[in-house]
Amino acid sequence: QQQVKQSPQSLIVQKGGISIINCAYENTAFDYFPWYQQFPGKGPALLIAIRPDVSEKKEGRFTISFNKSAKQFSLHIMDSQPGDSATYFCAASRIRGGATNKLIFGTGTLLAVQP
Amino acid sequence: EAGVAQSPRYKIIEKRQSVAFWCNPISGHATLYWYQQILGQGPKLLIQFQNNGVVDDSQLPKDRFSAERLKGVDSTLKIQPAKLEDSAVYLCASKSRTSGKQQYFGPGTRLTVL
Repeated sequence: QQQVKQSPQSLIVQKGGISIINCAYENTAFDYFPWYQQFPGKGPALLIAIRPDVSEKKEGRFTISFNKSAKQFSLHIMDSQPGDSATYFCAASRIRGGATNKLIFGTGTLLAVQP
Repeated sequence: EAGVAQSPRYKIIEKRQSVAFWCNPISGHATLYWYQQILGQGPKLLIQFQNNGVVDDSQLPKDRFSAERLKGVDSTLKIQPAKLEDSAVYLCASKSRTSGKQQYFGPGTRLTVL
């Protein structure tokens, strides 16, 4: 119940295209769903996050779509650029809950945007 | 503001040796996390500190791993003795009370156990 399943494992997109990464969770107590971006040799950095009271959140070229009933959420990168090439992780946690509010990460998606 | 600092950046040891990693969180961040990131996987939480107290160490292999955060600032993570399967990147992250859920990660220490 603590797992977050992420797909695809890797993704190649042409410059200007749309990158789509999907995640699914099991624990209905999760109420915070962030996406992290990680470049080689760097730690993950928060990209965008959503709570389940909204179905979509957009920040620039990055959009999270959230489907509470299906327990799924996805990251869409519009107009993908070579600089977006990185590993993307979805994650989930509870906002409240003390020791149980740790982030559970997906397995990651390696995105390559070809020029 | 300065980010989360970690050292060393790389470490190669033989199995059964011991190793220690150091983390200096962002100034004023009360919460500190240690994660293990095995190649091809997402980070897995090992231990979470709130100031100098342990909040969650349920996934820390306590027979070989230990961590401390004296004075509620810097933290060290130790492995003794190391096993081949400990080869991973060890990430430190910190969070303030005002940053909501956002954790700020350091660059990590890449450990190779031979």
